[in-house]
Amino acid sequence: EVKLLESGGGLVQPGGSLRLSCAASGFTFTDFYMSWIRQPPGKAPEWLGVIRNKANGYTTEYNPSVKGRFTISRDNTQNILYLQMNTLRAEDTAIYYCAEGAGDYWGQGVMVTVSS
Amino acid sequence: DIVMTQSPFSLAVSEGEMVTINCKSSQSLLSSGNQKNYLAWYQQKPGQSPKLLIYYASTRQSGVPDRFIGSGSGTDFTLTISDVQAEDLADYYCLQHYSYPFTFGSGTKLEIK
Repeated sequence: EVKLLESGGGLVQPGGSLRLSCAASGFTFTDFYMSWIRQPPGKAPEWLGVIRNKANGYTTEYNPSVKGRFTISRDNTQNILYLQMNTLRAEDTAIYYCAEGAGDYWGQGVMVTVSS
Repeated sequence: DIVMTQSPFSLAVSEGEMVTINCKSSQSLLSSGNQKNYLAWYQQKPGQSPKLLIYYASTRQSGVPDRFIGSGSGTDFTLTISDVQAEDLADYYCLQHYSYPFTFGSGTKLEIK
């Protein structure tokens, strides 16, 4: 059974940084692309980016809306996906989800609130 | 970026009725290489994370009831829910994963009368 468990969310001031983690289990982590997706309260999800699998060199793609501020990485020895978020803004307030592939399975999400 | 225009914004139906939700993309989602449409449908029940219902426009994810039917090709896609049940109360989203950045539709809220 695929399990994805995000952690690291919370309240952060504008301009601050936060790193989210996603612990994955139930599948061969290195075989899969992994994505980060966010959803502001009451709004549609927004795809943030993807990190490819081992066969594709773990390269990344980002939504231009976060490119240069957010970085996706993965620890393939511990099956953990990361999202490093810098220079956070109020509009980054959302529930952040990790997902297998483009969105085959999603975690339960973690809330990030950017406010002073 | 590919823009996904989803309609209607919301709809309310009685149990047993049929509903259709539409998604139109600003560019074709059909791959000439494998003839697959890179369009997925998700269901998000209140307080839960989205769940994949349909991929490649018309392939049902394992375990999804056969009353959920995806159709369409190119730029026009439809999710049909026949014999709506109370448990289908949810928001529904389409997603194009044909080109980066992937983009979602704005969502459809399904209410049960």
